[in-house]
Amino acid sequence: EPEVTQTPSHQVTQMGQEVILRCVPISNHLYFYWYRQILGQKVEFLVSFYNNEISEKSEIFDDQFSVERPDGSNFTLKIRSTKLEDSAMYFCARGGMRYEQYFGPGTRLTVT
Amino acid sequence: AQSVTQPDIHITVSEGASLELRCNYSYGATPYLFWYVQSPGQGLQLLLKYFSGDTLVQGIKGFEAEFKRSQSSFNLRKPSVHWSDAAEYFCAVGAQDSWGKLQFGAGTQVVVTP
Repeated sequence: EPEVTQTPSHQVTQMGQEVILRCVPISNHLYFYWYRQILGQKVEFLVSFYNNEISEKSEIFDDQFSVERPDGSNFTLKIRSTKLEDSAMYFCARGGMRYEQYFGPGTRLTVT
Repeated sequence: AQSVTQPDIHITVSEGASLELRCNYSYGATPYLFWYVQSPGQGLQLLLKYFSGDTLVQGIKGFEAEFKRSQSSFNLRKPSVHWSDAAEYFCAVGAQDSWGKLQFGAGTQVVVTP
């Protein structure tokens, strides 16, 4: 099954700046997810998004994070004021036919 | 709370030898179980999945996994590894009947020697 694409592949930003990470599904899907992987650590769930609403979020997903699907196609993750500890690989995933998830290639975010 | 444990952080295997990666889970009901592979600098690729039925599931790239409810395990196996199998492997658990979050294990790094 087709997966998702993510842009940019690498983003470097200064602490305190806002970043927007984008996820573009190949075809129409209803379920989307964001995960992150800090270097050397396990993949962590951030948020799930269904039918244009957040369905579940983790403790990591605090007020500085937001998600939206502004044009019905792109699915974005915004970090309002980045911190050094936000440096990580961010993965978008879309739901499959039977609860599996298909991941994009990821965006490496480096906060300096 | 659900959790996933991958006891082996790092495994070295010779090309052509068999490979088994361990995964143990903790979950209140029967979970959905997955194995993903991540090559360096790449995303996560779904290798195989278990939802119900036959406890031995086949995946891509010649991998298979066996669900053992009594042992709360979902170990991944490959009879003969290829150099291209060098990667990090993640076991993940999801809630039954839900498109909810996946909980990942810490991963097992597989090194393949000639």
